[in-house]
Amino acid sequence: DAEITQSPRHKITETGRQVTLACHQTWNHNNMFWYRQDLGHGLRLIHYSYGVQDTNKGEVSDGYSVSRSNTEDLPLTLESAASSQTSVYFCASSDGTGVLDTQYFGPGTRLTVL
Amino acid sequence: AQKVTQAQTEISVVEKEDVTLDCVYETRDTTYYLFWYKQPPSGELVFLIRRNSFDEQNEISGRYSWNFQKSTSSFNFTITASQVVDSAVYFCALSENFGNEKLTFGTGTRLTIIP
Repeated sequence: DAEITQSPRHKITETGRQVTLACHQTWNHNNMFWYRQDLGHGLRLIHYSYGVQDTNKGEVSDGYSVSRSNTEDLPLTLESAASSQTSVYFCASSDGTGVLDTQYFGPGTRLTVL
Repeated sequence: AQKVTQAQTEISVVEKEDVTLDCVYETRDTTYYLFWYKQPPSGELVFLIRRNSFDEQNEISGRYSWNFQKSTSSFNFTITASQVVDSAVYFCALSENFGNEKLTFGTGTRLTIIP
C-alpha cells in the first residue's frame, strides 16, 4: 500500500547541531508539506513544495530549510537547532491536481532540543 | 489572511452522549476547502472529511455528521452516541485555492469520552 513515512520517530539533539528529518511518500504526490505541532498553536506550516525543485516558505520557516530533488522525498533540515524548535513535526502530501486535494499525514517525529 | 477558530479547548462527555465540536473560519476567498482531522492518543493525524465551499449539504457518516453554514462561516462536527474510541484531539482546517495551498489549522479541541 502507498504510504507516507517519517524518520526518525524520536530524536534528541543538542542546541546548535544540524538535524535532518526525513519524509518519504510512495503515492507519487506532487505536493509535500512540513508542519510543526505545539500546544496552543495547532499545526503550523513550515515549508512546502509543489514539485521537484520547488520549495516555498510557510508561516514559521525561520531556522528551517527543505530541498526537493525527487518526487518521493522532502527532508527538513534544522541548520542550528534551538530549544524553541522542540516540537512534533508532521510531514504531509497531497495529489496536487486540485481535484483530490486532501493532505495525508505521516506519523510524526518528536524532536527534543536540549 | 485565513483563520480557523476552535473555541472549545477541551470537552468531556459521558459515553453515549452526543457532542458537537465547533469550528469558525475566516477567509476572503470564495473558493476554499474545509477539513476535519482526528488525532488519537497514538499521535497520528487521521483525515475525516473534506468539504468545498460550493457544497453546503450536510454530511453524515455513521455516527459522525458535519454541518456547514456559509452564512455563519461555521463547519461544526457532531458525534452521535459517543464512544470511548472517539477520545482524541480534533482539528478543523481551511485551505484556499482548490486545496493546493497550505492548510490553516485551528488549535484543536480535546475530546474525552468518559466511560
